[in-house]
Amino acid sequence: GNSVTQMEGPVTLSEEAFLTINCTYTATGYPSLFWYVQYPGEGLQLLLKATKADDKGSNKGFEATYRKETTSFHLEKGSVQVSDSAVYFCALTGRNRDDKIIFGKGTRLHILP
Amino acid sequence: ETGVTQTPRHLVMGMTNKKSLKCEQHLGHNAMYWYKQSAKKPLELMFVYNFKEQTENNSVPSRFSPECPNSSHLFLHLHTLQPEDSALYLCASSPGGQGITDTQYFGPGTRLTVL
Repeated sequence: GNSVTQMEGPVTLSEEAFLTINCTYTATGYPSLFWYVQYPGEGLQLLLKATKADDKGSNKGFEATYRKETTSFHLEKGSVQVSDSAVYFCALTGRNRDDKIIFGKGTRLHILP
Repeated sequence: ETGVTQTPRHLVMGMTNKKSLKCEQHLGHNAMYWYKQSAKKPLELMFVYNFKEQTENNSVPSRFSPECPNSSHLFLHLHTLQPEDSALYLCASSPGGQGITDTQYFGPGTRLTVL
């Protein structure tokens, strides 16, 4: 079945550092890929998504490229801020109407001032 | 963002109590979801409603009973819960029509503690 694996956290970086959070997936066919973010005390919110191979999703300085050859969707940001501290979830859905959305376990990110 | 609201935000209940969680969405969506988020575990999809019809029950124990009276409201009725049911319960909605492959919009969650 479909699955998502993302790097274990917590990840701790200094402000303005470069961020990568790895995400790889296993799926049949061509899934849609997502990154969701959960700020403290809040629910998840969509950060970015990509629906086909080689698509790049971007939002708020974050980017992720749908790489079918490596089955990856790594999240990157060139210069992180303290306000980026949150939990980040990689997720996928299949193309079929009845396919479930599958979330990774989440990666907690701490940004130090 | 107030598109999806949940009440209460925090709930403490005994194992013999009966309580309900409420979710309301103001986005004009047709699909609504309940998730359970426990520490150190992946987000677990519990129930899906699409156009008020339940389309997914992910092997959830019967002590959790969902209700979707209309496309804007979703309830989770709780009775005789166990301490391991303590978790953050998240509600989400999506436009619907494509089933559960839509982008989902989440509420802030209800933090449930079962004593």
